[in-house]
Amino acid sequence: QQQVKQSPQSLIVQKGGIPIINCAYENTAFDYFPWYQQFPGKGPALLIAIRPDVSEKKEGRFTISFNKSAKQFSLHIMDSQPGDSATYFCAASSGGSYIPTFGRGTSLIVHP
Amino acid sequence: NAGVMQNPRHLVRRRGQEARLRCSPMKGHSHVYWYRQLPEEGLKFMVYLQKENIIDESGMPKERFSAEFPKEGPSILRIQQVVRGDSAAYFCASSPFSGQYNSPLHFGNGTRLTVT
Repeated sequence: QQQVKQSPQSLIVQKGGIPIINCAYENTAFDYFPWYQQFPGKGPALLIAIRPDVSEKKEGRFTISFNKSAKQFSLHIMDSQPGDSATYFCAASSGGSYIPTFGRGTSLIVHP
Repeated sequence: NAGVMQNPRHLVRRRGQEARLRCSPMKGHSHVYWYRQLPEEGLKFMVYLQKENIIDESGMPKERFSAEFPKEGPSILRIQQVVRGDSAAYFCASSPFSGQYNSPLHFGNGTRLTVT
């Protein structure tokens, strides 16, 4: 499986800040890029996903930016709230595999 | 509408014992994935199954680990002769088949295995 590199490993922001989490990949066959949110003691849950035919996707306060030529994509959380404190995973998969490869995760803490 | 159900939530085994982890996928989902999560290491793919078939087990250790998804009943991840290094959270996820496009995974809340 190809690696997906995620950074930073941890992130601390104040309420209202805009945390940004970045991911990079190598496999140009990847065509589906989901982000998952995980709270302590729970399984990851799909947050938002993007396909490479668009450069940006917004759902509420969450935005994915996608740069196909650079093989990078990022998650922005607008007006972050303490309830957003969680671990975030990026992932990538291809139609030929159906097996998502996950980044190592980013632990986000949003202070009140 | 129940989500992915995993049991037990917590499992304690002594070294050398067997661990059986069960996963019932969401209704209508025919694909099951098992991932292992260790602190600071993210989610590591282990095995991908469809009913009665192992599609990809490239992430599964060659010895002591096995998985099945029978025609009836839950998927089972079995670890024989557990060692301390097997201590981790094991997550099951399911997805429907969607043809050429990928579908998001729906995860259970995991089984936390502790080997003493």
